[in-house]
Amino acid sequence: AQSVAQPEDQVNVAEGNPLTVKCTYSVSGNPYLFWYVQYPNRGLQFLLKYITGDNLVKGSYGFEAEFNKSQTSFHLKKPSALVSDSALYFCAVRADTGRRALTFGSGTRLQVQP
Amino acid sequence: DSGVTQTPKHLITATGQRVTLRCSPRSGDLSVYWYQQSLDQGLQFLIHYYNGEERAKGNILERFSAQQFPDLHSELNLSSLELGDSALYFCASRLIGSGGNEQFFGPGTRLTVL
Repeated sequence: AQSVAQPEDQVNVAEGNPLTVKCTYSVSGNPYLFWYVQYPNRGLQFLLKYITGDNLVKGSYGFEAEFNKSQTSFHLKKPSALVSDSALYFCAVRADTGRRALTFGSGTRLQVQP
Repeated sequence: DSGVTQTPKHLITATGQRVTLRCSPRSGDLSVYWYQQSLDQGLQFLIHYYNGEERAKGNILERFSAQQFPDLHSELNLSSLELGDSALYFCASRLIGSGGNEQFFGPGTRLTVL
């Protein structure tokens, strides 16, 4: 079985400050890891993914994430937060073999204050 | 815009009724996934179709069923509806080939069961 934990229901950060949204995972085999963002009344938008290779992956809108195999983590980061980054963020995982469907974390609401 | 379309956007119905949700994947994507998003269960995988064939089942109730048609659109049928079925239902499509390809999500159908 695979699982994702997002330990923080909400993260508050001031505009211009760096942000981190935490994610840890459990999967049998090698992980494929994804971050999605959901704005109110919208579907999920893909931000970035880790499949293999460089542990630091860069994605849309200035976001990046660091894969740490020993800590089974895939934290989402951004050097300078914008008010428009305020949204619900989901981390997701699947193994490199077997079922292609994603297992999602419970989501973290990011609130960026002006 | 992800290129995945879902209809209708909103659906209000009564307990015991049956509804059909429709999804059109991105052009060229053969895989369609259905997910349910609710406040208490979070985002859960329901079912996966690939080129017309069922590939995997997740937490899908026996009252729910799905199909993927030759033109690759998919329908999710929900019957004997209960209050607890009220949720956002998303479909997602994925390009075949690399298992690491991300899923692209539609805007969702919000189902309210009264």
